[in-house]
Amino acid sequence: QKEVEQNSGPLSVPEGAIASLNCTYSDRGSQSFFWYRQYSGKSPELIMFIYSNGDKEDGRFTAQLNKASQYVSLLIRDSQPSDSATYLCAVKVEGGGKLIFGQGTELSVKP
Amino acid sequence: DTGVSQDPRHKITKRGQNVTFRCDPISEHNRLYWYRQTLGQGPEFLTYFQNEAQLEKSRLLSDRFSAERPKGSFSTLEIQRTEQGDSAMYLCASSFIGGAYEQYFGPGTRLTVT
Repeated sequence: QKEVEQNSGPLSVPEGAIASLNCTYSDRGSQSFFWYRQYSGKSPELIMFIYSNGDKEDGRFTAQLNKASQYVSLLIRDSQPSDSATYLCAVKVEGGGKLIFGQGTELSVKP
Repeated sequence: DTGVSQDPRHKITKRGQNVTFRCDPISEHNRLYWYRQTLGQGPEFLTYFQNEAQLEKSRLLSDRFSAERPKGSFSTLEIQRTEQGDSAMYLCASSFIGGAYEQYFGPGTRLTVT
């Protein structure tokens, strides 16, 4: 079992809809959770991080964390074509420095 | 620009040659990380430094790979005797110590081994 799992997609949503991206992780010692956006040929760009159970909102983005279920998600409201990218989920374990990444979910927002 | 910078942005080399990449972190960040990313995969951790100390190195990292951060500022990653399987994007990131330790990535160095 991979340590961080994401559905590779592609996930296709119409413009203006809510896009829901999901991620599960295996290490219960995981401490912090990150969502990165990566456009084709570019490097990952940090969108949000979360380390407490519940929801965290930033503009059109909401990160949700459920440590009991080992599940973290990213919601993108009012999706725009410019949101079309690969979204990477990353996990930092307690006491460590490295991030463990999922393989990413490709999102396509259709005008 | 105060973000993470990497040099070169692209490198084409022949199999068996040595290559060296440089990373300059965000100036006030203590930690510096190296990752490798191949097509369709998430970044894979290679190693990281806190100031000049190398704190962790991936068990997957061949002994052909070496990294340094001699003065706790910029870092270099060297690959000796390159192989075609080394072709990838090499990413550098940096972070503060504390908080969520959120990491910010540089633009990457695209390595192609022919």
